[in-house]
Amino acid sequence: DAKTTQPPSMDCAEGRAANLPCNHSTISGNEYVYWYRQIHSQGPQYIIHGLKNNETNEMASLIITEDRKSSTLILPHATLRDTAVYYCIVSLDNYGQNFVFGPGTRLSVLP
Amino acid sequence: GAGVSQSPSNKVTEKGKDVELRCDPISGHTALYWYRQSLGQGLEFLIYFQGNSAPDKSGLPSDRFSAERTGGSVSTLTIQRTQQEDSAVYLCASSPLAGITDTQYFGPGTRLTVL
Repeated sequence: DAKTTQPPSMDCAEGRAANLPCNHSTISGNEYVYWYRQIHSQGPQYIIHGLKNNETNEMASLIITEDRKSSTLILPHATLRDTAVYYCIVSLDNYGQNFVFGPGTRLSVLP
Repeated sequence: GAGVSQSPSNKVTEKGKDVELRCDPISGHTALYWYRQSLGQGLEFLIYFQGNSAPDKSGLPSDRFSAERTGGSVSTLTIQRTQQEDSAVYLCASSPLAGITDTQYFGPGTRLTVL
């Protein structure tokens, strides 16, 4: 059974915020939420990760609900180069069979 | 600094042949990971190295697949007697350690086509 559920696709207007949701209702207390993205024909790229608190870095913000059953990745000002597949991963460790890249959300940033 | 590099970038082979795929991790990274990505699919974990040892080989799909890492640096993924279902992009990643919060840095991948 998949540990995360993401919408298959989303559109976002260039310059607007892109909010990508992820449901992880079976997350356990020690599991982190990781976000990666994969631009066409490239290897995946790390974006951000968090455990309980909201996190922000130069690429994005991660909002985790208080019950930790869902999270949202926010790209504050989406650009055309942000068009990619975004993967939400829930795992104790950053590797191994549990570090599963599911189908992700295909984000299309439109001009 | 240089990122993760992989070679070859593309490999076309005939069914039944053996292939070797190479990964050069970021210098100083002790953890190295292999994944494969079939067309339109997510990433499938294959194997993970901590230094030269592979504590987790659970993702290797069959005994035709093997991997080694020497000198704590370069890794080679070998597929023997290739089958058409082995066609995929093989991705390598490295991280400073294999800790919970260590980011994986991915290479560009090797696209393997088995005819």
